[in-house]
Amino acid sequence: KNQVEQSPQSLIILEGKNCTLQCNYTVSPFSNLRWYKQDTGRGPVSLTIMTFSENTKSNGRYTATLDADTKQSSLHITASQLSDSASYICVVSALSGGGADGLTFGKGTHLIIQP
Amino acid sequence: KAGVTQTPRYLIKTRGQQVTLSCSPISGHRSVSWYQQTPGQGLQFLFEYFSETQRNKGNFPGRFSGRQFSNSRSEMNVSTLELGDSALYLCASSLFSPRGSNQPQHFGDGTRLSIL
Repeated sequence: KNQVEQSPQSLIILEGKNCTLQCNYTVSPFSNLRWYKQDTGRGPVSLTIMTFSENTKSNGRYTATLDADTKQSSLHITASQLSDSASYICVVSALSGGGADGLTFGKGTHLIIQP
Repeated sequence: KAGVTQTPRYLIKTRGQQVTLSCSPISGHRSVSWYQQTPGQGLQFLFEYFSETQRNKGNFPGRFSGRQFSNSRSEMNVSTLELGDSALYLCASSLFSPRGSNQPQHFGDGTRLSIL
């Protein structure tokens, strides 16, 4: 069964610190992996999309890594800011199978940045 | 370029009523997907429309339906509302269908539906 597991469920860190969020998946055949940021009361916003051949992708202070062999991805946030407080959702796209739309969603990591 | 617009933002209904939610995608996007988001379940896929045709449907009862118009705008309808239908309903648009595509989905800010 295609699944996306994210850890931790929630995380609290101090402003200015770094943090890493994890995403493990069993989706196959793999097409791409996406990270979204969802602010409270808003829709998700795309941070990165990585295909099989991409190991690392950055978007400002956000850096995503992908290990297609172990089926793991991480999202690293550098020098956190209060505006980084949000839920971060990992989504894996399958070439076939998976969700009816080809996407399998993780339940997200809720990140709180404290001043 | 205008983003995905969903209306209304908030809606309160009672059990047994029906509701229609609207989504205007980004100009040029032909794929529109709908999702239900609840705290315990995360995002769950409802259905996807592409060029006015329903391409995929998630595991939801027939009370949930949708359609897409020739200008790509989409509506979803929920009939005979139940308490469990309380959720954030998100619409996402993209150039191509999500399956196998490397293009991101662009989400609206959703409609918060509360059933009393």
